Amino acid sequence: DAGITQSPRHKVTETGTPVTLRCHQTENHRYMYWYRQDPGHGLRLIHYSYGVKDTDKGEVSDGYSVSRSKTEDFLLTLESATSSQTSVYFCAISESGDNHGYTFGSGTRLTVV
Amino acid sequence: AQSVTQLDSQVPVFEEAPVELRCNYSSSVSVYLFWYVQYPNQGLQLLLKYLSGSTLVKGINGFEAEFNKSQTSFHLRKPSVHISDTAEYFCAAGKTSYDKVIFGPGTSLSVIP
Repeated sequence: DAGITQSPRHKVTETGTPVTLRCHQTENHRYMYWYRQDPGHGLRLIHYSYGVKDTDKGEVSDGYSVSRSKTEDFLLTLESATSSQTSVYFCAISESGDNHGYTFGSGTRLTVV
Repeated sequence: AQSVTQLDSQVPVFEEAPVELRCNYSSSVSVYLFWYVQYPNQGLQLLLKYLSGSTLVKGINGFEAEFNKSQTSFHLRKPSVHISDTAEYFCAAGKTSYDKVIFGPGTSLSVIP
């Protein structure tokens, strides 16, 4: 494997509760990304990071926050989960930015009930 | 704004037949183009990428794609498909080396025995 793991793999949570998803890499790559995958939409970028404590918003960032205190970990937090955030979440890493392609984790399937 | 269109949401094809999955992008400047494959319950895996140079790009598993600037297309082809090629295929594009890539909605390829 490419050295990227996501946890948990599956989670069911209740509306209104906070949820944190973790992405861990052992590749020492600078760039990390969080995407959500929904039928008919492909992958949509939530947030990304280009270094420790350097993060920025993607196209669907409302209701999400991120933190990156160490190179290897990129956390995605749903501040107050809603049913519209039921999705599959993917983390990706890149050594030198977008023009070289990404390596993806196996995903986290989140269900908000 | 940059966008990526995949004209076919589902493509059924018989085993050992050729296949073409279509991708069009919107851009008026140079682009970086990618094809990713997603097998069931897995993350995305990079199939091939076009950064510059030869317009015919060869990837893994016998796939290839051709960059056509005049038609803003980057279609994926394989001369003879196998059952194991059954998967979801995503086209993605980035406008510059520092832009975030945009993913298309995906094409589900089903190989029929």
